[in-house]
Amino acid sequence: DVKVTQSSRYLVKRTGEKVFLECVQDMDHENMFWYRQDPGLGLRLIYFSYDVKMKEKGDIPEGYSVSREKKERFSLILESASTNQTSMYLCASSLAGGATGTQYFGPGTRLTVL
Amino acid sequence: AQSVTQPDIHITVSEGASLELRCNYSYGATPYLFWYVQSPGQGLQLLLKYFSGDTLVQGIKGFEAEFKRSQSSFNLRKPSVHWSDAAEYFCAVGEIGGADGLTFGKGTHLIIQP
Repeated sequence: DVKVTQSSRYLVKRTGEKVFLECVQDMDHENMFWYRQDPGLGLRLIYFSYDVKMKEKGDIPEGYSVSREKKERFSLILESASTNQTSMYLCASSLAGGATGTQYFGPGTRLTVL
Repeated sequence: AQSVTQPDIHITVSEGASLELRCNYSYGATPYLFWYVQSPGQGLQLLLKYFSGDTLVQGIKGFEAEFKRSQSSFNLRKPSVHWSDAAEYFCAVGEIGGADGLTFGKGTHLIIQP
């Protein structure tokens, strides 16, 4: 089974702090994604990466950056956390190409910014 | 740009009754369609997916979905629901290769009455 793990299930940070959310997948997937989930808004794509050191902006990249130094690890960075970034953050991965666009999700990190 | 609409925010069904969750999509080419389920406090689990071929697809936990191109729909069905089916259900659309992330609907919250 594909396993996607996220470093924390719950995180509480203060406004202005730099926050790192880590995601690791163990199935050698090329593609990795970060979404945020908010009630009534569903999931929205923040950033994605289709290869090491490659990154692409999703629908809501403002206030976030990402890092992918190794194939299995994809980090989401909040340079200066703000209260409107309080949310559930979900990481996902998928194989590249063809009919293999199925994404596998981690358990999520619930971030609260005070 | 692609979009997904789940018209029902909440649905309440009696245990043992049949279920249909609606999903309509907008996409320029042949879509890849997915249904995911999210139990409280958990990540997303894939229920089923449609890429091509037979328009009626079977998934896990007794769910099925039917792709209707003429109606741009991909409705999820189950003949008899169980209390453990109470969860949030998300419909999503993606592109060939899956490198650019999925576009999700806002979700339908399923409540099961005893």
